[in-house]
Amino acid sequence: RKEVEQDPGPFNVPEGATVAFNCTYSNSASQSFFWYRQDCRKEPKLLMSVYSSGNEDGRFTAQLNRASQYISLLIRDSKLSDSATYLCVVSNAGNMLTFGGGTRLMVKP
Amino acid sequence: DAGITQSPRHKVTETGTPVTLRCHQTENHRYMYWYRQDPGHGLRLIHYSYGVKDTDKGEVSDGYSVSRSKTEDFLLTLESATSSQTSVYFCAISEIGGRGEAFFGQGTRLTVV
Repeated sequence: RKEVEQDPGPFNVPEGATVAFNCTYSNSASQSFFWYRQDCRKEPKLLMSVYSSGNEDGRFTAQLNRASQYISLLIRDSKLSDSATYLCVVSNAGNMLTFGGGTRLMVKP
Repeated sequence: DAGITQSPRHKVTETGTPVTLRCHQTENHRYMYWYRQDPGHGLRLIHYSYGVKDTDKGEVSDGYSVSRSKTEDFLLTLESATSSQTSVYFCAISEIGGRGEAFFGQGTRLTVV
């Protein structure tokens, strides 16, 4: 079983739609959680950190459920520019970041 | 953008030849990482460094070695390249390790023929 699992998609949604991605992680000792975004043939970039209380950044909302070892990302009012692959990332007490395989989002006009 | 550069950006090499990829940072970050990215596998950690001459293995370290003789440079060496090492390689840096943001280089596309 992979340490961080994501549905690879693709999720095809129209502009303006709300879309949610989920991620599960297997290591209960994981301490830090992130969502990264990766555009085609580009490097990953941090989208947002994920906190236990949940956090929001504009149209993006991240949630963490430690009991279920589950992380989510909600995107409201999708834009064409949101089309990308979204990577769920966790780190344990060490300094290694473990990446999920990514979920591909395609926003259509 | 974080000051991190990878070289070369593209390379084609023959099976059995040694290959060295370079990652250079100007941010003075303590942690440096090498990942490879393959379809169906996502990003997998090869090796990482937590200081000069301090390195540790990641998930897929077999066939790779690293060196960090200066804070700013982290080298990844394939001693004898194999076709299974054809991949996109990303270097990343972080100031506070797994607790914070990692910044990635633009990647090196390596093809072993």
